[in-house]
Amino acid sequence: NAGVTQTPKFQVLKTGQSMTLQCAQDMNHEYMSWYRQDPGMGLRLIHYSVGAGITDQGEVPNGYNVSRSTTEDFPLRLLSAAPSQTSVYFCASSYSAVGGLGEQFFGPGTRLTVL
Amino acid sequence: GNSVTQMEGPVTLSEEAFLTINCTYTATGYPSLFWYVQYPGEGLQLLLKATKADDKGSNKGFEATYRKETTSFHLEKGSVQVSDSAVYFCALSLGSNFGNEKLTFGTGTRLTIIP
Repeated sequence: NAGVTQTPKFQVLKTGQSMTLQCAQDMNHEYMSWYRQDPGMGLRLIHYSVGAGITDQGEVPNGYNVSRSTTEDFPLRLLSAAPSQTSVYFCASSYSAVGGLGEQFFGPGTRLTVL
Repeated sequence: GNSVTQMEGPVTLSEEAFLTINCTYTATGYPSLFWYVQYPGEGLQLLLKATKADDKGSNKGFEATYRKETTSFHLEKGSVQVSDSAVYFCALSLGSNFGNEKLTFGTGTRLTIIP
């Protein structure tokens, strides 16, 4: 299994540009999520999905869109990039069972710089 | 709201020293508690977890005990190695009817072990 994969690893954008960060998992996990990691702030949840066709907002959703058309993929779209979105982005997935608390598996991250 | 407070770093220790990284939490319910580790250039990986009061999580020589009375989950290791150099994150999850979701992270503690 490849686990959780993310592309690209690095990206530089200009203010106002849009782009999509890709995330895929091959573990048949129901739950997927996106976090951003900023110095001194830990990881903050952007959006999450509990299954195909179902998404919801996390702590810091503004400026980002997500969709979940398949179990495997969970892309994150930046609509109009801003310097405040400079960060490292992590995708994570886990098997979601009612009442369960399974381990979340993280991808290697995408380092995004917005100029 | 829910929050996690971690010991601020960076922490620098000599090899074979005793390690403690403090973590306390605030939660509206009965959370599960986690320690994640991030090695340089990688995503986060689960180190250990505890799902109820007085549980002890352990892995790779690390231990943490869920203390409900002090709302703490301190990470300890008796003898650290250079390979333990990483960033350590304390986290909590309240789960939901869907199971595992919405990890709330601390800010992370960078640990450096000197030979």
